[in-house]
Amino acid sequence: GQNIDQPTEMTATEGAIVQINCTYQTSGFNGLFWYQQHAGEAPTFLSYNVLDGLEEKGRFSSFLSRSKGYSYLLLKELQMKDSASYLCAVMDSNYQLIWGAGTKLIIKP
Amino acid sequence: DTAVSQTPKYLVTQMGNDKSIKCEQNLGHDTMYWYKQDSKKFLKIMFSYNNKELIINETVPNRFSPKSPDKAHLNLHINSLELGDSAVYFCASSQDLGSWGASTDTQYFGPGTRLTVL
Repeated sequence: GQNIDQPTEMTATEGAIVQINCTYQTSGFNGLFWYQQHAGEAPTFLSYNVLDGLEEKGRFSSFLSRSKGYSYLLLKELQMKDSASYLCAVMDSNYQLIWGAGTKLIIKP
Repeated sequence: DTAVSQTPKYLVTQMGNDKSIKCEQNLGHDTMYWYKQDSKKFLKIMFSYNNKELIINETVPNRFSPKSPDKAHLNLHINSLELGDSAVYFCASSQDLGSWGASTDTQYFGPGTRLTVL
C-alpha cells in the first residue's frame, strides 16, 4: 500500500530551527509537496520537490532524496505564527496526491 | 481577491437530508478537486475534474456526486446525509494534472466547509 509517515507533533522555541521529516512509500513518484495548515483553515502551498536536493525559499527549505523515499522541511528563525500543521504529500504514478496526516508544530516563546 | 472560494463555510443539517456545497476558482485552472478531511486530519481525495471530465473517482459512496457546470466551478451534492459524513470538505484547483511532475500540479485550496450531520 501507499504510505506517508510524519511525526505527529513537534515543539520548538521561537527563533530556533526545526526540521520536520517525511518518509514515503508510494506507487511511483511525480513530486513531493509541503503544505502548511493553520487550525481551522485551508492548507496552503509551501514547496515542491521533484529532483533530489535542497530547495530554499526564505526561512523555509525543503529537501528530497528519492532513493531513500525521504524529505524534510526546515524552518529557520521560527516565529509564533509558524505554529501550524505541516502536511507532506506525494504525487504518485496516477498523479494522485497521497497525503500524510501532518505534523503539528508548537512554537513556544 | 479570493482564488478558490466555497460556500457555505458552515453547514449543519439533519441525517437523511440532501445538501450541496459550491466551489468556484478564478485562477483559470483546468483541474478541480474535492477532499474530505476527517477528525484525524487526513486529507482524502474524493473527486477531481479536468476540463469538465471526471478523471478520478475514489471509492466514495454514490450519495456523493460532483457537478461541474463549467471549468471554474465544481459543486458537491450529497444525498441522504449520514452521521459519518461530518467532516471538513475542501475544494482545490490546479493548473494542470499529470504534467510529468511539473509544479503546475500544485493545488490551491478553498477555505473549507465544515459539515455537521446531527
